[in-house]
Amino acid sequence: GIQVEQSPPDLILQEGANSTLRCNFSDSVNNLQWFHQNPWGQLINLFYIPSGTKQNGRLSATTVATERYSLLYISSSQTTDSGVYFCAVAVNFGNEKLTFGTGTRLTIIP
Amino acid sequence: DAGVTQSPTHLIKTRGQQVTLRCSPKSGHDTVSWYQQALGQGPQFIFQYYEEEERQRGNFPDRFSGHQFPNYSSELNVNALLLGDSALYLCASSLGRRGAFYEQYFGPGTRLTVT
Repeated sequence: GIQVEQSPPDLILQEGANSTLRCNFSDSVNNLQWFHQNPWGQLINLFYIPSGTKQNGRLSATTVATERYSLLYISSSQTTDSGVYFCAVAVNFGNEKLTFGTGTRLTIIP
Repeated sequence: DAGVTQSPTHLIKTRGQQVTLRCSPKSGHDTVSWYQQALGQGPQFIFQYYEEEERQRGNFPDRFSGHQFPNYSSELNVNALLLGDSALYLCASSLGRRGAFYEQYFGPGTRLTVT
């Protein structure tokens, strides 16, 4: 099956800093989502981005499908950004299950 | 617009018992997927239900079964519980029309502890 790797595994930043999270996948995908999992376990949808670039406030994401990677940018970090960030992909029609990456644990220090 | 809801939020069971978890999809969605998330790991796909049938299944034993009702809500049943079944169980809903991909939205999860 498809392999999804995220880097870095852990990231500790001062409040106000910027960060880039990376997601590499081993095969072509037709669906890619970024999630933020808060300390209570809730997965919050950030982006649905199988290709291209999207922005939402301080967050933006870019997926380069031909090179099999996606990037999540967080600018001007806040303590509420702390948590685990997952990317998840789906491969093809008839196989719409999401395969999750290994996650990046982000800690923002005040 | 109600999001995905799950019940119960927490559950403690004894090894060998059976458990039923419930999920109501986001308004307008007709597909429900279940995921298991062990501590420190990413969610793992269990199965997906569409039109009241299991459409796709991950690498989980037959002890894990499910059901989808005509109102699109779903249940996850786990029989003969093992200590290793302790995890956060997440339900996701989406549209499910064939030939297209749709964004999946997750509920708050049910935390199952097996003692």
